[in-house]
Amino acid sequence: QKEVEQDPGPLSVPEGAIVSLNCTYSNSAFQYFMWYRQYSRKGPELLMYTYSSGNKEDGRFTAQVDKSSKYISLFIRDSQPSDSATYLCATHTGTASKLTFGTGTRLQVTL
Amino acid sequence: SAVISQKPSRDICQRGTSLTIQCQVDSQVTMMFWYRQQPGQSLTLIATANQGSEATYESGFVIDKFPISRPNLTFSTLTVSNMSPEDSSIYLCSVEGTGIWDTQYFGPGTRLTVL
Repeated sequence: QKEVEQDPGPLSVPEGAIVSLNCTYSNSAFQYFMWYRQYSRKGPELLMYTYSSGNKEDGRFTAQVDKSSKYISLFIRDSQPSDSATYLCATHTGTASKLTFGTGTRLQVTL
Repeated sequence: SAVISQKPSRDICQRGTSLTIQCQVDSQVTMMFWYRQQPGQSLTLIATANQGSEATYESGFVIDKFPISRPNLTFSTLTVSNMSPEDSSIYLCSVEGTGIWDTQYFGPGTRLTVL
C-alpha cells in the first residue's frame, strides 16, 4: 500500500466549475501537507501548504486536511483553463524534510 | 522562494553512457534534494545532498549509480551512470524552503531518454 494515494484522473471540468482534488494517506505521523501544481514539461510549483487539520484559503484555492480520516483536499473555485495541470499532494512528518508525494491528478478545464 | 535552474533541460543518451545533471540555486541553501519522476508514478526521492558531507541515499538508490556532488551552497550535480532505458525519466532537484513549513521548491527538471 502506498503511503499517499491519489486518483490519477484525468479529471475534466468546464470553465467556472468547482474542482475537488483529493488524497488519502496512511501514516498518522504526517503533520505537514502541501499541494503542488505541475504544468506540462515544468517542475512542480508549490501552491498551498497547511499544518495539521483545518482549512487554508488563498484566492480561488482552499486546502483542507482532516487528520481523523487521513484525507487531504484541494478545492478550486471558478476554475479557469489556466488551471489545467497535474496537481500533486505531498506530506511529511516535520522531523525531516523528506516529502512523500501522491502520483498526481491531471486536471483539464475546458472552455 | 528560490530560483532554481537545471541543465540540461532534456537529453537523449545511449545505453551504457553517463549523464551529469546540474542544479543551480540563486541563494545559499543547506539542503538540496534529487528526485526522479517516472510516467504515472509519484516523485521519488533519490538522495539528499548537504554541503560538506556525503549525500544520503534512499532505499533502492546507490552512490555508484547516482553519484552526487555538492561543492557549495548554491550548486549540486547528479550523475546517472551506466544508463539503461529504465533510467528514462524526469530528474528534478529541489531545495528546502525557509520558515517552519519545511516546504521544498523545485527546479524545472531534466527530461532524460535512454535508447
